[in-house]
Order: sequence, then structure tokens, then C-alpha cells
Amino acid sequence: GQSLEQPSEVTAVEGAIVQINCTYQTSGFYGLSWYQQHDGGAPTFLSYNALDGLEETGRFSSFLSRSDSYGYLLLQELQMKDSASYFCAVRDPFGNTDKLIFGTGTRLQVFP
Amino acid sequence: KAGVTQTPRYLIKTRGQQVTLSCSPISGHRSVSWYQQTPGQGLQFLFEYFSETQRNKGNFPGRFSGRQFSNSRSEMNVSTLELGDSALYLCASSGWDRADARSYNEQFFGPGTRLTVL
Repeated sequence: GQSLEQPSEVTAVEGAIVQINCTYQTSGFYGLSWYQQHDGGAPTFLSYNALDGLEETGRFSSFLSRSDSYGYLLLQELQMKDSASYFCAVRDPFGNTDKLIFGTGTRLQVFP
Repeated sequence: KAGVTQTPRYLIKTRGQQVTLSCSPISGHRSVSWYQQTPGQGLQFLFEYFSETQRNKGNFPGRFSGRQFSNSRSEMNVSTLELGDSALYLCASSGWDRADARSYNEQFFGPGTRLTVL
């Protein structure tokens, strides 16, 4: 089946570095996206990896390995405001419908 | 550029009633998708529309339906409401150009409609 698995929860302290993993099982693949969602808010787009390797955007970086069906979001210099849920997502081209699939979500808690 | 808007923001209904939620995408976006989110659950995909056609559908019963209008605005309807339908319903829009991979994959979400079924 089509699925994206993430750890349910990750905790860290301010200033630390945390990695949120995403392993996927889909019939096809365009690329991997990441979203952030604060409690009570809507998800917001963070990054997109179409190719293998690391994409850096400020304190956030995202990595993709197509051969391993694996990606991760790396958050550096953690701040309290980074406490949120993080979702990975793909469009699966199976059946030529490009179905949107979101991961199970990882809740990040940052402590002082 | 205005973001995705959803109306209403909050809604209280009773079991057995039906409800219609509305979503206006970002200007120029022709794809609209809908999601259900409940506490402890991730984003459950409902359906996606492009150019007034349903392109994809998630694993929800037939009580959940939707449509898209020629101006790309979309509505979703839930009939015969059940207690378990209480959730945050999110709408998102995106471009629809496979040649522009980032635009094709980047979903812009609205604030959601919080539905409570009593």
C-alpha cells in the first residue's frame, strides 16, 4: 500500500538539533515535501526535495534518499516556537492521478 | 496575493443533519484538495479537484462529497452527520503543472472549518 511513516513524537531542548525521519512506501514518487502545523493552526509548507541530497533553508534542512525510500527534516538551533507537528508528504503518480499522501505526523516538543 | 479562505470557520450541527463547507483557493490555483483532521490523527485525505473534476478520492464513505466550480472555488458536503465526523476540515490549493515540481507539490492550506457534531 501507500504509506509514509514518521515517529509520533520527538522532544529536544532549545538550541539543540533534531531530526525527524520519514520512510515512504509508494508505487511512484515525484518528491518529498514537509509541512509544519502549530496547534490550532493550518499546515504550512516548509520544503520540497525532488532530488537526492540536502536542501537548506535557514535553520531547517531537508534530505532525501530515493534508493532508501527515506527522508528527514533537520531543525537546528531549536527555538520554543518550533514546537509543532511536522508532516512529510508526497504525490504518488500511481494510476496517473498523482494522489496526495501525508505522513502520520511527528509532534515536536521543545523544552527550555 | 490573498490566501486560501474557508467558510464558515466554526460550525455546530446535530447527528443526522448535513453540512456544506466552502473553500476559495489562491487566485490562479486550479487544484483544491480537502482533508479531515481529528485529534491524534494525521491529515486524512478526502478528495482533490482540478478543473471541476474530481481527480482523487480518499477512503471515506459516500456521505462525503464535493465539487468544484468554474472559478476553482470548491465545496464539500457531509450528509447524515455522525458524532465521529467532528473534526477540523482543511482545504488546500496548489498549482497543477507537473513541469513545475515545487508548485505542483506545494499545498497552501486555509485556516480550516472546525465542525462539531452533537
